[in-house]
Amino acid sequence: SYELTQDPAVSVALGQTVRITCQGDSLRSYYASWYQQKPGQAPVLVIYGKNNRPSGIPDRFSGSSSGNTASLTITGAQAEDEADYYCNSRDSSGNPYVFGTGTKVTVL
Amino acid sequence: EVQLVESGGGLVQPGGSLRLSCVASGFTFSSYEMNWVRQAPGKGLEWVSYISSSGSTIYYADSVKGRFTIARDNAKNSLYLQMNSLRAEDTAVYYCAREDSTSWYVRWFDPWGQGTLVTVSS
Repeated sequence: SYELTQDPAVSVALGQTVRITCQGDSLRSYYASWYQQKPGQAPVLVIYGKNNRPSGIPDRFSGSSSGNTASLTITGAQAEDEADYYCNSRDSSGNPYVFGTGTKVTVL
Repeated sequence: EVQLVESGGGLVQPGGSLRLSCVASGFTFSSYEMNWVRQAPGKGLEWVSYISSSGSTIYYADSVKGRFTIARDNAKNSLYLQMNSLRAEDTAVYYCAREDSTSWYVRWFDPWGQGTLVTVSS
């Protein structure tokens, strides 16, 4: 079945920058959305469209896209950014939607 | 405040049925497409089902097609997921999520409910 591929885990030093990538053919046609999920909590939207943040999401979160790859960047990572991050997009193979495999971000 | 609240989860035996509900508040429910998304213990997110704002268009993931039925009652601001022939692999937290968009190629899920746990076990 179709998948959006993400690195399983990344780490970043406090205050530094980390980029999380999401790869898939559907990203050539559709923008990704990005979700932050902390343990025991529901996912929260952090980025959608070209580079849009919902109200309440800090501006250290940004998004970009090129070819078949979407990226979420955290500039100046904070301890509270430690979480799992998932991308989501339309599925070009049949199902309407597909989620990425998820990336666990650890802030050192 | 825009809010989604799920209910109906619980322990069910393999082959059994369960009906999940999601009640919306703080927005015009009838104007929005809705989705169910699930997360097995320790695993990632899996999209399950979609329903258009009027209920006229419905989609399912291959993993649940023929066993799950999504429905909505706009008069009651409610979304449902009828789950039949449940299997151990259906064990997960089930979230309802509102879908929003600015175009056919820019779509997102926000907000999400708190989730309801479904456990399929004998």
